[in-house]
Order: sequence, then C-alpha cells, then structure tokens
Amino acid sequence: GAGVSQSPRYKVTKRGQDVALRCDPISGHVSLYWYRQALGQGPEFLTYFNYEAQQDKSGLPNDRFSAERPEGSISTLTIQRTEQRDSAMYRCASSSLTGTRGYTFGSGTRLTVV
Amino acid sequence: KQEVTQIPAALSVPEGENLVLNCSFTDSAIYNLQWFRQDPGKGLTSLLLIQSSQREQTSGRLNASLDKSSGRSTLYIAASQPGDSATYLCAVRPGGNQFYFGTGTSLTVIP
Repeated sequence: GAGVSQSPRYKVTKRGQDVALRCDPISGHVSLYWYRQALGQGPEFLTYFNYEAQQDKSGLPNDRFSAERPEGSISTLTIQRTEQRDSAMYRCASSSLTGTRGYTFGSGTRLTVV
Repeated sequence: KQEVTQIPAALSVPEGENLVLNCSFTDSAIYNLQWFRQDPGKGLTSLLLIQSSQREQTSGRLNASLDKSSGRSTLYIAASQPGDSATYLCAVRPGGNQFYFGTGTSLTVIP
C-alpha cells in the first residue's frame, strides 16, 4: 500500500484477554518494526523483521508478547493475558533493508486494558 | 545503550518566531538521525533524515543539523505558524536497525 496501515486503530480489552494487532507495511519494504509508546514518552523498540525472519526481539517485555510475519509482508503483534500495564500506543514502521531513507510509521493502535 | 535527550520538554512561542529544538545522544557512532512530528491521535510524520556523513538537511522552513562528535542535533523552524504545533521527536539509529527516541518537545505556536 501507499502507507503503513495498522488495525485496529483503537482496542479496548478486558484484563486477561488476548489481543492481536496488525500491521501492513509499505509495499516493497523489507524491514518491519514494532514500537510501544507510553503517554508522554518516546516510542520504545519491541522487535523487528527482515522479510519473514524476526531479527531482534530484545525489546519484547516478557513472554506474553510475540510477533510474526509469516509471509514477509503483514505482521501481527500478539499480547496474551493482557494486563493494565500493557495499555499504550503500539506503533508499526517499515523501511527498506538498509533503512537509508529512514522509517515510515503507521497511525498506531491505541490499546486500553480495563 | 543509546540515550536520547530532548530539550526543552515543552515550548510555547508567538506566531512568526524562529525556534530551535535540541536533541542530544550519548553514543556518537550513529548511522543516521531522523526528526519526526507527532500529532495527537495520528502517526509519526517524518520531517528530516540526516545520514551520519551529512551536517544538515533542509525542507521548507525546517532545517536540521547534526554534530556527531558532540552528540547533538538541532531542528530549526523558521517563521513558526500555529499549524506547527505538535510534539517533535528525535530518533537516533546506531549501527543496528532500531531507532532510539527521545521523549519529545511539545511545541505550541500561539496565533
């Protein structure tokens, strides 16, 4: 697509439920990144992929968080057994493999765990 | 780990003023640096990207400079307008693939 598309835009879920957040990167962008942004803070790295391979998942806070990109395009970030502290804006970005033109971000998914 | 600091945290200026936003980073070995604009409820919009070999980049009323040796970048906005009101984020990319973000400067331009 022309831009990075994330869905849903807003998600309210009850504590303990699982959620899946979707990211559709710019067509042709090999690299895809997930970030999490708390209110009043800058985005913090979670994980990234080159093609379908997860290259770095060092930013995932615990094993309730996982991400996949099975066909090297759309990616899903899954949070199991959600907790209130998971509430944040989840942002996806994509870039070329070298990233020499920087990142392009989607509009994000606002997750609220009640 | 790269630490990125942005000063000031908030800034309020009258329309028409020129202003400077500051970004400092702890590790000068960077690949590139990107300035973003964040509007409430919207995504991050890329403003300027500076490669490590460059000293500055310009786009319209915006000019970003990079001094790697001192670990600093500045974003200069000329003739500010109310539509410039937003949060400005600085993001530094070391040799790997992730960016490290500052906490941003919240800018308000008063008509």
